[in-house]
Amino acid sequence: QSALTQEASVSGTVGQKVTLSCTGNSNNIGSYDVGWYQQISHGAPKTVMFGNSLPSGIPDRFSGSKSGTTASLTISGLQPEDEADYYCSTWDYSLSEGVFGGGTKLTVL
Amino acid sequence: EVQLLESGGGLVQPGGSLRLSCAASGFTFSNYAMSWVRQAPGKGLEWVSLISGRGGTTYYAGSVKGRFTISRDNSKNTLYLQMNSLRAEDTAVYYCAKAIYYYDIEYWGQGTLVTVSS
Repeated sequence: QSALTQEASVSGTVGQKVTLSCTGNSNNIGSYDVGWYQQISHGAPKTVMFGNSLPSGIPDRFSGSKSGTTASLTISGLQPEDEADYYCSTWDYSLSEGVFGGGTKLTVL
Repeated sequence: EVQLLESGGGLVQPGGSLRLSCAASGFTFSNYAMSWVRQAPGKGLEWVSLISGRGGTTYYAGSVKGRFTISRDNSKNTLYLQMNSLRAEDTAVYYCAKAIYYYDIEYWGQGTLVTVSS
């Protein structure tokens, strides 16, 4: 069982806005920034967000936020190439370990 | 351009050992923490280990503590993962990753497959 909880699946149509969530506790999300990672067809992951900072080369339709112990990744103007698995991750100071969510499969209809 | 190239994966018997390497280029290697993350077949990502830029601080997932050792050679721009007492549940693609600040990940390698089976 993952330390962080994500929706198993989310779907949206082209052009729609979708939000993926990642829920933890005060030991992890409540204390540290959250990273979001995109994985297409089980290829190598790619970082699409850290905290609310967008890595270079990532389109600005991706945005990140956090409220308390829940982090969110929002994709505005969904594109077919956004279909992928998305994982959230952060640090847990009580475990002294990195922790990942179980991943959300995003389907673009 | 940042490049991370893993090597050393392969088939090993249960109880055996394997050492993974990750050759880094395109950035000042010693300035950044590095991590290993793995993914079992059909499963999600799992954090494995982290090492600070100078190598003085290391962390491990509970599932590998005491069996795996992370290290780095900053003169060779190379990250390592020594894996001992391997189990079937260690079968996974192992990714090398560069941090932005510390525990976070900015860049990922392409991964190397480790299969533990008799």
